[in-house]
Amino acid sequence: EDKVVQSPLSLVVHEGDTVTLNCSYEVTNFRSLLWYKQEKKAPTFLFMLTSSGIEKKSGRLSSILDKKELFSILNITATQTGDSAVYLCAVDAGSEKLVFGKGTKLTVNP
Amino acid sequence: GAVVSQHPSWVICKSGTSVKIECRSLDFQATTMFWYRQFPKQSLMLMATSNEGSKATYEQGVEKDKFLINHASLTLSTLTVTSAHPEDSSFYICSASNRQNYGYTFGSGTRLTVV
Repeated sequence: EDKVVQSPLSLVVHEGDTVTLNCSYEVTNFRSLLWYKQEKKAPTFLFMLTSSGIEKKSGRLSSILDKKELFSILNITATQTGDSAVYLCAVDAGSEKLVFGKGTKLTVNP
Repeated sequence: GAVVSQHPSWVICKSGTSVKIECRSLDFQATTMFWYRQFPKQSLMLMATSNEGSKATYEQGVEKDKFLINHASLTLSTLTVTSAHPEDSSFYICSASNRQNYGYTFGSGTRLTVV
């Protein structure tokens, strides 16, 4: 059974801190790994990763994939209160089906 | 680009009634759309894959007669929750594969409350 595991499940930090969110996966037919940010409603797309070792960056957020060890990390530097959200990791396991992890709830306190 | 519109954003209905949720891709064609369900503080669980012009593919444990999916055009998929019960109360989200950048675009979700 395809599985995506995220850790930690929740995290509380202060503004300015740097955080690393983890995502490991076991799927039979890996195509890509995606990160989403979910606030009150639907998830918003952050990154899609298909190749190992190539960092994707968008402002203070960055992510990298390790296909040998089957995991990905999402880094957020200089966190702000607006970064508070649930961060979801999902794997495209073929046939365009996404398998989601349970998410990491990030709370950034002022 | 790549916008998915979902309607309604919230709905309250009585037990035993049916509710229809619409998911539209506004600026691209989506041969495949996906319907997810999310319980509070949990992740998204795929319910079914909606295929344009053919029957939907349901995930294990999802009742196809209860959650009717219709994908009549390349831009519209609907999910009808039939004979709704309070345990069907949840957040339902659709998504579509946007082949332009190989991303997935989500609708804004529908909060269903069955009373």
